[in-house]
Amino acid sequence: KNQVEQSPQSLIILEGKNCTLQCNYTVSPFSNLRWYKQDTGRGPVSLTIMTFSENTKSNGRYTATLDADTKQSSLHITASQLSDSASYICVVSATAGGFKTIFGAGTRLFVKA
Amino acid sequence: DTEVTQTPKHLVMGMTNKKSLKCEQHMGHRAMYWYKQKAKKPPELMFVYSYEKLSINESVPSRFSPECPNSSLLNLHLHALQPEDSALYLCASSQGARRASRTDTQYFGPGTRLTVL
Repeated sequence: KNQVEQSPQSLIILEGKNCTLQCNYTVSPFSNLRWYKQDTGRGPVSLTIMTFSENTKSNGRYTATLDADTKQSSLHITASQLSDSASYICVVSATAGGFKTIFGAGTRLFVKA
Repeated sequence: DTEVTQTPKHLVMGMTNKKSLKCEQHMGHRAMYWYKQKAKKPPELMFVYSYEKLSINESVPSRFSPECPNSSLLNLHLHALQPEDSALYLCASSQGARRASRTDTQYFGPGTRLTVL
């Protein structure tokens, strides 16, 4: 069964601190993995996208890693800012005669001053 | 232009009303999507259009009727909705090559917040 599991469910950190969000998946055959940031009541915004051959990708203070062997990904946020407070969603796509996209439940991040 | 726009931003309707949600993109994308998102849940796929043709319908009730007039526009017609249909409705688009691309990223619009009374 194609699944995407994220942890933790929620996280509270102080401004300026770093944090790491986890994503485990069982999607097959794997096509790509994306991390999105979603502010409350807004549409998700793409942060990174990685294919099978990529194991790290950065976008400013966001760095995503991918281990295709263990089917795990992480999103590392450096020097967090109040504006980083949002839900972070891991999305994995499969290629099987089309495009199947599976969303994780997301991690809700709260950055406090 | 890397933007997907949606109108209206908010919509309140009664169960007997007929309304439409609109989505537009000018990125030359050939795949467009409708998602429904309840609070604190991930988006749930409703429909996918590929090259203006409906390619995926995730068993959505017929009170939701999608329409793709051209490659830039996607509508969602609403009729006889139920209060449980209240949600954030997201539109997305992607390049949508005829062969699935490994780097095909979906770009999301800001959503329409729908409330059914």
